[in-house]
Amino acid sequence: DAGVTQSPTHLIKTRGQQVTLRCSPKSGHDTVSWYQQALGQGPQFIFQYYEEEERQRGNFPDRFSGHQFPNYSSELNVNALLLGDSALYLCASSLVAGEVVSEQFFGPGTRLTVL
Amino acid sequence: GNSVTQMEGPVTLSEEAFLTINCTYTATGYPSLFWYVQYPGEGLQLLLKATKADDKGSNKGFEATYRKETTSFHLEKGSVQVSDSAVYFCALTGRAGGTSYGKLTFGQGTILTVHP
Repeated sequence: DAGVTQSPTHLIKTRGQQVTLRCSPKSGHDTVSWYQQALGQGPQFIFQYYEEEERQRGNFPDRFSGHQFPNYSSELNVNALLLGDSALYLCASSLVAGEVVSEQFFGPGTRLTVL
Repeated sequence: GNSVTQMEGPVTLSEEAFLTINCTYTATGYPSLFWYVQYPGEGLQLLLKATKADDKGSNKGFEATYRKETTSFHLEKGSVQVSDSAVYFCALTGRAGGTSYGKLTFGQGTILTVHP
């Protein structure tokens, strides 16, 4: 049973460019959350997707957008990259059923470097 | 809003020493509490969790007790090993159906280094 997978592993971009990161959730999970982890910091919640819609969003600008596909996989897009966007981007999947939230499983992350 | 505060690090111990990493939180309602571990170059792994007051989460010799009266969830291990060297994150989430849907709020992390 494959866990959460993310691609690519590493990415180098220059300021002003756009980037797309990808995530495949753990089998059986229907919810994908994205987190940004700056060096030496704890992960910060970006947004969560469920039933192909953004259900909740953290304190991130509109340059950060996402998408969820019918197979539950997800993309994170960042436009007009800034140096401060350099971070490890983590994807987590879970299964939400009413009031019950399953454990969130994290992928290995994508390391984004903006030059 | 919700927040998590962890003790300042890094923490350096000798093998077989006792470990405590303090964690306190601020949250409305009755959050679930977690400890995650991140090994070098890897993503986060759930170490243990507790979902209600006075619950004790435990795994791999690590323990933490959900203390609502002191809003704390301190991580302890009686005898650390070199292989425990990693970054430890305390985190919380509210109850689905409210405003969180499982959104995790993390502390800043504590680096643990264990020497032989």
